[in-house]
Amino acid sequence: AQTVTQSQPEMSVQEAETVTLSCTYDTSESDYYLFWYKQPPSRQMILVIRQEAYKQQNATENRFSVNFQKAAKSFSLKISDSQLGDAAMYFCAYRNYGGSQGNLIFGKGTKLSVKP
Amino acid sequence: DTEVTQTPKHLVMGMTNKKSLKCEQHMGHRAMYWYKQKAKKPPELMFVYSYEKLSINESVPSRFSPECPNSSLLNLHLHALQPEDSALYLCASSPGRGGVTDAFFGQGTRLTVV
Repeated sequence: AQTVTQSQPEMSVQEAETVTLSCTYDTSESDYYLFWYKQPPSRQMILVIRQEAYKQQNATENRFSVNFQKAAKSFSLKISDSQLGDAAMYFCAYRNYGGSQGNLIFGKGTKLSVKP
Repeated sequence: DTEVTQTPKHLVMGMTNKKSLKCEQHMGHRAMYWYKQKAKKPPELMFVYSYEKLSINESVPSRFSPECPNSSLLNLHLHALQPEDSALYLCASSPGRGGVTDAFFGQGTRLTVV
């Protein structure tokens, strides 16, 4: 069975600074997808970034980028120029290649606070 | 329209009540999902409907009964719940099986069982 581990229950960053959230996972599959989701107090799960395991290039979305290390099974999220609106719970998630797009395995989450 | 709409946003029910949660999407998606999220925990998959057929049931107690009347609508019928069933219930939808495309989540229904 696949597992996702987030070892940082809480993180804090100063506005405009950079923060990195860590995630490791375990799977025997060679093809899969990894995600970072953001859940603000509004409760909606919002997709931040997606990485396809078969792509060597790290995904980027504006201020958000990942460091994907397939051999190490590591998938960290870097948030640059942090903004107050980035404060939320961040979940790392895994999905099998070929499975239903919503069949996700989530880590326990990291609560990110942004200080003005 | 890229929204998944869940109603109601909040629900308080007694242990003998019967209630239903509703989820709707108009993106033409053919897969829909129910997740349960306890406080300060990650979402956990409960059910998956694919092309209006139940394809995954993650050993959920029978007091939770899903229904997918059409490709746009997903219901979760609740009966004889326990206080430990209090949680945020999230609905999601996605185009269908496989592929790079992603799932979209609703804002959830906060359920309290008293």
